[in-house]
Amino acid sequence: GENVEQHPSTLSVQEGDSAVIKCTYSDSASNYFPWYKQELGKGPQLIIDIRSNVGEKKDQRIAVTLNKTAKHFSLHITETQPEDSAVYFCAASVWGSQGNLIFGKGTKLSVKP
Amino acid sequence: NAGVTQTPKFRVLKTGQSMTLLCAQDMNHEYMYWYRQDPGMGLRLIHYSVGEGTTAKGEVPDGYNVSRLKKQNFLLGLESAAPSQTSVYFCASKRTGYNEQFFGPGTRLTVL
Repeated sequence: GENVEQHPSTLSVQEGDSAVIKCTYSDSASNYFPWYKQELGKGPQLIIDIRSNVGEKKDQRIAVTLNKTAKHFSLHITETQPEDSAVYFCAASVWGSQGNLIFGKGTKLSVKP
Repeated sequence: NAGVTQTPKFRVLKTGQSMTLLCAQDMNHEYMYWYRQDPGMGLRLIHYSVGEGTTAKGEVPDGYNVSRLKKQNFLLGLESAAPSQTSVYFCASKRTGYNEQFFGPGTRLTVL
């Protein structure tokens, strides 16, 4: 079955710097890759996703890139702010299927003011 | 709309006790999921449902049972709790044809 590896497990940056979180997946059938943000004491919330027919997607300060050949995808956050501090999870799935997501183990991002 | 709600928010059980966690959604979603979240392990799928009256096993189903008698509710049961089931449990739902899952706020369960 699918296996998703996520790195790093913790990341600390200064406010205004960029942050990059990387994930790799094992199943070439996976074609949908969402990123979820989990704030303390809350459930995860989708922040951006990408399908395998595109290589990059951007939404304001966040972007996701996908390399199908290497089976890896990354989350990029620019101009980080203290409110970006949270745990971020990547996941992989097959688009249009039952939607069963396989999650990475998470990255705790801390943005220092 | 309340979205996805979970009851209770916290619970402490003794080994061998049973309990039921309730998930409710008011978005008329067909799909519902139960996950557990453990430190350093991410979210792992326990059971899921693709519609009223249907359930299926996820990655880590052992020790849990589920029921979906009504479309808006998804129940997770622990028949005989074990310390290994100490975790934070999240429910999620999604609409047919869409991939975004909407998560509830979680239930923190401790089994002594």
